[in-house]
Amino acid sequence: GAVVSQHPSRVICKSGTSVKIECRSLDFQATTMFWYRQFPKQSLMLMATSNEGSKATYEQGVEKDKFLINHASLTLSTLTVTSAHPEDSSFYICSARGTGGFFEAFFGQGTRLTVV
Amino acid sequence: AQSVTQPDIHITVSEGASLELRCNYSYGATPYLFWYVQSPGQGLQLLLKYFSGDTLVQGIKGFEAEFKRSQSSFNLRKPSVHWSDAAEYFCAVGPPSAANNLFFGTGTRLTVIP
Repeated sequence: GAVVSQHPSRVICKSGTSVKIECRSLDFQATTMFWYRQFPKQSLMLMATSNEGSKATYEQGVEKDKFLINHASLTLSTLTVTSAHPEDSSFYICSARGTGGFFEAFFGQGTRLTVV
Repeated sequence: AQSVTQPDIHITVSEGASLELRCNYSYGATPYLFWYVQSPGQGLQLLLKYFSGDTLVQGIKGFEAEFKRSQSSFNLRKPSVHWSDAAEYFCAVGPPSAANNLFFGTGTRLTVIP
């Protein structure tokens, strides 16, 4: 099946710094990728939809200047958490939906961000 | 509006016992339905999926799910649970398009006791 790879799996950064998370579709092209945030013991909250070659679409309440998304190629989307603060600590997951058949979503392994 | 409801936040079953996780959805058109499993600190893995055809679908790891249109349900079942099945389970619904995200339920945490 299709594979989505997310890197890094864990990152600890100091408050005020920026962190970049990469999401790659390894064996298929993903025009659209999705970024989710997951709080402990909760469901996935869609943050934004990343579109190759165009601006991301952010969900209501998500600060686009804090969570910068770039989808420069059909296989790579990046999420940069700018000027991170402890409240940004969370589990971030990316996904891409397949383009044939059931269009099931394939997920990256997730990134645990801890801001200290 | 699209929504997915998983009424059970947490379920505990004994190893070897049967399991049923409930999922109800609200969707304007014929939905694509999915069940995913998430182990702690991991991404989500697809267990099974449904769009049309036989309403009883088989998935990986011995799981199955039954689509009941009249009840807007897509419950997940397993006849005999293994300790390794302990995880978080998410039901999801979405359109047949790679450009649209899936809508997820709030998840059901499964605990398996010896």
